[in-house]
Parts: sequence; structure tokens; C-alpha cells
Amino acid sequence: GNSVTQMEGPVTLSEEAFLTINCTYTATGYPSLFWYVQYPGEGLQLLLKATKADDKGSNKGFEATYRKETTSFHLEKGSVQVSDSAVYFCALTPDGYNKLIFGAGTRLAVHP
Amino acid sequence: DADVTQTPRNRITKTGKRIMLECSQTKGHDRMYWYRQDPGLGLQLIYYSFDVKDINKGEISDGYSVSRQAQAKFSLSLESAIPNQTALYFCATSDPGGPSGDTQYFGPGTRLTVL
Repeated sequence: GNSVTQMEGPVTLSEEAFLTINCTYTATGYPSLFWYVQYPGEGLQLLLKATKADDKGSNKGFEATYRKETTSFHLEKGSVQVSDSAVYFCALTPDGYNKLIFGAGTRLAVHP
Repeated sequence: DADVTQTPRNRITKTGKRIMLECSQTKGHDRMYWYRQDPGLGLQLIYYSFDVKDINKGEISDGYSVSRQAQAKFSLSLESAIPNQTALYFCATSDPGGPSGDTQYFGPGTRLTVL
């Protein structure tokens, strides 16, 4: 079946540190891959997406590359800020469908 | 104004009560979804609707029902609420044929507590 596994949190970093949040997936065909972010007290917002192998999604300094050979879509940012503190969800849409399948979420806390 | 709105934002109810959560959207999207979020479990799909006449069960539909009153409105009902339905509920929309493709847009959520 289709599933998403992401690293457990919480992840605690100092401001300006490098961030990696690992995400791997299981899916048939060619899914689209997403990172959504949930700031405290808010709904989910799309952070970035990639729709085919080797595509790189990027937004607000965050990047993730669709790696089909390793079935991964790791989220990275070179220098985090306090305002990046949130819960990050990796997700996929199975090939031919429009239903999102989410990972469990990773909480990021950035301290000054 | 927000594109996807949910009412109420917070609700406390008692076991056995019927409750309805409402979702409205101004994005003009045909597809709408209801998810629940539990700590450590991500989001799970309850029901989804591809248009007014097409409603489908998701992964965890037991104990829930939905109504798609119009393209813009999609309601979720708990016929007889139980404590393990305490969760954060999200509505979402998408427009696969449009420029955003399979991206889903989420409302702000409804926090439901069943005592």
C-alpha cells in the first residue's frame, strides 16, 4: 500500500542551524510528493511540492528533492529562524488519485 | 477573507450528542475533503467528495457522515459523538484540472472535544 514515514520529533535547533527532516515513502506508480507546514493554532499550508523524479521543490529557503531510487523526499533548510518553529508533514498523492497520505508529522522548535 | 472556512472553530459536546461541522470555500474547487488529526498520527481521511453527486468514504469513516450541499459547502456530522472522536478536524479543497494541480488547500480546523 501507500505510506509515508518521517523522522520523529521534536527536533530542537538553534537559530541559523542547518535543518534536515527525513521522509521516505512507499507507493506504486509515480506519486506527487508534498511538504505541508502547520504553525501553532493554524491549519496546514503547502510549503513545497514535486511531481516527478529528480524535481526539486523550494519555497521560503526550504528545499526537497524527489528521489525515486531511494524513495525519499527529505526537507532541508540552510539556516533556520525562530519563525520556522512549526510541525512539518510529508505527504504523497498516489498516482492517478487525489487523496493525500500523510506522515505523522515532525515538530521543529528553533531557539534564539 | 480566507478561501476555506470552518465553523465552529472550537466545540465541546457530550457523549451521545449529534454535532455538525461545516466547511465553506470560495476557491471554486470541485473536490472537498474531511480529515481528522490526532497527536502523533498525522492526518487521516474521513470522507471526500469529487463533486456534489460524488461522495466517498476515506480511511476512517465509521461514526461519521457527510453532506455536500453545494459545490462550496461540505458538512461533516457525528451522529452520536463518543470521546475517542475528540480531535482536530480539517476541511480541504483541490482542483486537479487547474493550475494548482493536486495541491490541497486546508481550512483553519475545528477543535472538537467530546466529554
